[in-house]
Amino acid sequence: GQQLNQSPQSMFIQEGEDVSMNCTSSSIFNTWLWYKQDPGEGPVLLIALYKAGELTSNGRLTAQFGITRKDSFLNISASIPSDVGIYFCAPPGATNKLIFGTGTLLAVQP
Amino acid sequence: SAVISQKPSRDICQRGTSLTIQCQVDSQVTMMFWYRQQPGQSLTLIATANQGSEATYESGFVIDKFPISRPNLTFSTLTVSNMSPEDSSIYLCSSRGGDYSYNEQFFGPGTRLTVL
Repeated sequence: GQQLNQSPQSMFIQEGEDVSMNCTSSSIFNTWLWYKQDPGEGPVLLIALYKAGELTSNGRLTAQFGITRKDSFLNISASIPSDVGIYFCAPPGATNKLIFGTGTLLAVQP
Repeated sequence: SAVISQKPSRDICQRGTSLTIQCQVDSQVTMMFWYRQQPGQSLTLIATANQGSEATYESGFVIDKFPISRPNLTFSTLTVSNMSPEDSSIYLCSSRGGDYSYNEQFFGPGTRLTVL
């Protein structure tokens, strides 16, 4: 089946630092969704990308749809403690069902 | 975004019993889904809840173990039957479509199930 690998698996950073994470696949996708899951909560949609090469921002978050359509990147600028959580990429597959990546755990030290 | 609520938010159950989880969306939606998230893992799709017909199950999940209902466009239930400790997970309801872009999918807060 399709596999989505997220990197890094976890990150431990200081408040104020910038964060970069990515999601790679062996398959091509037409849409990329990025979610954040806070502890004890369901995933919350952060950014949706619909076009190869597209760069989209949502506040301090910026995501890019890779030009090969096999990857996507999420950057967080000037991290704050509430950025803590697990970040998932989740593009819809061929059957239009979301395929979740392995997740990146982010910890922010105040 | 769609607002999705789930009941119960958590439960502790005995082996061999069943639990029904309810999911309510604040607007009519096209599609509803049920996911499982085992401790420390990513989300795995259990099934698509179809309004007025039988749910569509993913590989590894069967109707006898996870019966699903969807009587209308805003509500669905998932039952975890004959539970064992391996069923301890977070169960998440999700929706897509309706008043929102079909490409955007929203999630409920989850039901944290512990089976003793």
